[in-house]
Amino acid sequence: DAGVTQSPTHLIKTRGQHVTLRCSPISGHKSVSWYQQVLGQGPQFIFQYYEKEERGRGNFPDRFSARQFPNYSSELNVNALLLGDSALYLCASSSGGQETQYFGPGTRLLVL
Amino acid sequence: DQQVKQNSPSLSVQEGRISILNCDYTNSMFDYFLWYKKYPAEGPTFLISISSIKDKNEDGRFTVFLNKSAKHLSLHIVPSQPGDSAVYFCAASALTGANNLFFGTGTRLTVIP
Repeated sequence: DAGVTQSPTHLIKTRGQHVTLRCSPISGHKSVSWYQQVLGQGPQFIFQYYEKEERGRGNFPDRFSARQFPNYSSELNVNALLLGDSALYLCASSSGGQETQYFGPGTRLLVL
Repeated sequence: DQQVKQNSPSLSVQEGRISILNCDYTNSMFDYFLWYKKYPAEGPTFLISISSIKDKNEDGRFTVFLNKSAKHLSLHIVPSQPGDSAVYFCAASALTGANNLFFGTGTRLTVIP
């Protein structure tokens, strides 16, 4: 069975640009969450979507937005990129509720 | 405000011995706890979880212990193998609200052959 997939794997952008990251959950999973992991830290929660609705949002600025599509895939958008947005962006899927979240390989974003 | 803490950034253990990784939390609303293993350039891989209604959960070589009164959990790996060398993250969530995970900063385990 395919796990969580993310694209692209790596990305280089310059300050002020916009980026879109994509995630496909495990088949049958209806919930997708996004996390940001900077070097030396644990992942930090950004968003959670369930059945195409936002269920939760972490302490991130409005430059960060996301959405979930009818096939349960998801996009994370970041506008007006800052150097500090350089990180590994992780997507996790679960069947919903307090079920275990399974992570994709991540997208490594470098902002120059 | 770090609600989940892993105070040991690194741990080295001889192959075949027990590895014990520790985690503390501050939020009494947390009721579900997980351990993930992470290799470089990969996403975290789920290892084992425990609900707050239990104090122990085993899965093969991995056992997680939960002490709710101390707000402490630990992961025991026995026997440790070189392939266990990775960064281990403790995570917690609360049933109320969004099911987002709060992670510790990780412990790098090195198993020496």
